[in-house]
Amino acid sequence: QVHLVQSGAEVKNPGASVKVSCKASGYTFTSYYMHWVRQAPGQGLEWMGIINPSGVSTNYAQKFQGRVTMTRDTSTSTVYMELSTLRSEDTAVYHCARGGQITVAGLRSGMDVWGQGTTVTVSS
Amino acid sequence: DIQMTQSPSSLSASVGDRVTITCRASQSISSYLNWYQQKPGKAPKLLIYAASSLQSGVPSRFSGSASGTDFTLTISSLQPEDFATYYCQQSYSAPYTFGQGTRLEIK
Repeated sequence: QVHLVQSGAEVKNPGASVKVSCKASGYTFTSYYMHWVRQAPGQGLEWMGIINPSGVSTNYAQKFQGRVTMTRDTSTSTVYMELSTLRSEDTAVYHCARGGQITVAGLRSGMDVWGQGTTVTVSS
Repeated sequence: DIQMTQSPSSLSASVGDRVTITCRASQSISSYLNWYQQKPGKAPKLLIYAASSLQSGVPSRFSGSASGTDFTLTISSLQPEDFATYYCQQSYSAPYTFGQGTRLEIK
């Protein structure tokens, strides 16, 4: 069974950084893209970026360019999302979500498996 | 960026009703449109991909269709477990934007 298990809730001060992990199991980790999506309290879904776990390529939403870094560790089938210079508006639930297979067509697939979400609270 | 506009933003309906939610893209996205269902406190769930393909395990009362840049999610006969928020998402090009959501409530 395919699962994505994320790290626990975080509370951070403004200006700090947070690093959220997402451990994959039940499939070949390097064969599928991974997205990150966040949801602020009472708000809709916001796409943050995508990582190709088989290589080093990433694509970040312009809004987060310069503040977000997505990485992966193939030895543990884990992807990471680090967001820096946190502000109160970054308070949200952060999800990893599996995308399509690592092909051109896979970039255009839906997100079929989601992590449970990690709540990040930014407050002084 | 491609803008996705959903309507309505909220909807009240009864069990057994037929319900339609619409999503319009600001430019052509071919058929690269996905629909998700989200219940409070839970992660989104993929219902429909590529505009009209039913994700494995999703009941057949859910269907999707497309006409140009307009996309529709239809629930043929609402069940109690269908009351949730629904989002469309374009996967044509990054950033892979979502619609603002449609909250489906019990009448």
